Amino acid sequence: NAGVTQTPKFRILKIGQSMTLQCTQDMNHNYMYWYRQDPGMGLKLIYYSVGAGITDKGEVPNGYNVSRSTTEDFPLRLELAAPSQTSVYFCASSYQGGPNEKLFFGSGTQLSVL
Amino acid sequence: DAKTTQPPSMDCAEGRAANLPCNHSTISGNEYVYWYRQIHSQGPQYIIHGLKNNETNEMASLIITEDRKSSTLILPHATLRDTAVYYCIVRVDRGAQKLVFGQGTRLTINP
Repeated sequence: NAGVTQTPKFRILKIGQSMTLQCTQDMNHNYMYWYRQDPGMGLKLIYYSVGAGITDKGEVPNGYNVSRSTTEDFPLRLELAAPSQTSVYFCASSYQGGPNEKLFFGSGTQLSVL
Repeated sequence: DAKTTQPPSMDCAEGRAANLPCNHSTISGNEYVYWYRQIHSQGPQYIIHGLKNNETNEMASLIITEDRKSSTLILPHATLRDTAVYYCIVRVDRGAQKLVFGQGTRLTINP
């Protein structure tokens, strides 16, 4: 059981380049989330999805796009990379919403924009 | 969601109980308290959560004061592998687990 898998683990981008961070889960979870973590800080929610075809903005969505065409996959797209997007990105999932659900996190993607 | 306050760092000796405090004095009646931890640069890991009763699982115990304005996470027999940043999070049950992570407490377990 792989859980939440993120690729790539590391990436360096030039300013203005685009890329997609991949996230897939094999736990049949309905809810998926993208967080970013800047050095020495806590995590901030970028986007989340409560099911295939449904996405919504989190706290810091600017500069990012997401899609959810399947239950398993929740890719995060950076269209025009900026140095402010240098961060570690974590994908997470939960079976459903509600107070008794816990998030399962991937191991992260470390992104540097130079 | 209510704001939480945690000490930035704590130390604990290996084998002893680690008691991590969290203040959430503005918590409302329908807000839950969650604890997650992040070991080195890994993704956060769920530990425990509760509403008003004390909770215990295989990882830890959560003690919530009667007025719910503060809580304590207890790791009963800390090991070196418990060295991590511990996050106390308060949120309302509004469906999706849109957790707000602060800076947490960096717990160091010393041999």
